[in-house]
Amino acid sequence: DAKTTQPTSMDCAEGRAANLPCNHSTISGNEYVYWYRQIHSQGPQYIIHGLKNNETNEMASLIITEDRKSSTLILPHATLRDTAVYYCIVRAREGGFKTIFGAGTRLFVKA
Amino acid sequence: GAVVSQHPSWVICKSGTSVKIECRSLDFQATTMFWYRQFPKQSLMLMATSNEGSKATYEQGVEKDKFLINHASLTLSTLTVTSAHPEDSSFYICSARGIQGASYEQYFGPGTRLTVT
Repeated sequence: DAKTTQPTSMDCAEGRAANLPCNHSTISGNEYVYWYRQIHSQGPQYIIHGLKNNETNEMASLIITEDRKSSTLILPHATLRDTAVYYCIVRAREGGFKTIFGAGTRLFVKA
Repeated sequence: GAVVSQHPSWVICKSGTSVKIECRSLDFQATTMFWYRQFPKQSLMLMATSNEGSKATYEQGVEKDKFLINHASLTLSTLTVTSAHPEDSSFYICSARGIQGASYEQYFGPGTRLTVT
């Protein structure tokens, strides 16, 4: 079963920051927080992952709370092409893991 | 970055026929491959996990005789939908796990749209 809780949908104005929350209160010490997104009729696209420190890459920033029970994915300047379903996943990185998807958050970026 | 390809990207077949979908890891060796199925407006559902040279492990509720998985090499896995029926119409996505640095990472293919008429 998915170990995360996300809002079903969110809206964001184009050019503004999109902040997508995720709750993962049962995360284990060896589990990472991963974010993927899926644009309609495509395979999931990796966005970012982190263990406990905040992370940033060219696509997004990931803010993880100190107790690691929740996180926020930030798209700093959302564009229409960022409209997609965003999945927050927690999993280990050692061998034997499998990625289980929850329902995700459907982000609509509006002009 | 690591690339996973799928072939075909879409396929239409008649009810009762079998369809094979290929999944390849193009620039890394995948010791484990995963197959997911996604119905419209739903999330991805894990169907099975396969390790190279071993039998696949199917998730609860997935018929192993209907969805045949072969993982004969470190770069190729195939999913065969046998005796396909319209309810098997779905988006099938494969994923490959390989070593990236000191840890494993999982990479996803672009998906295959199966329509059974």
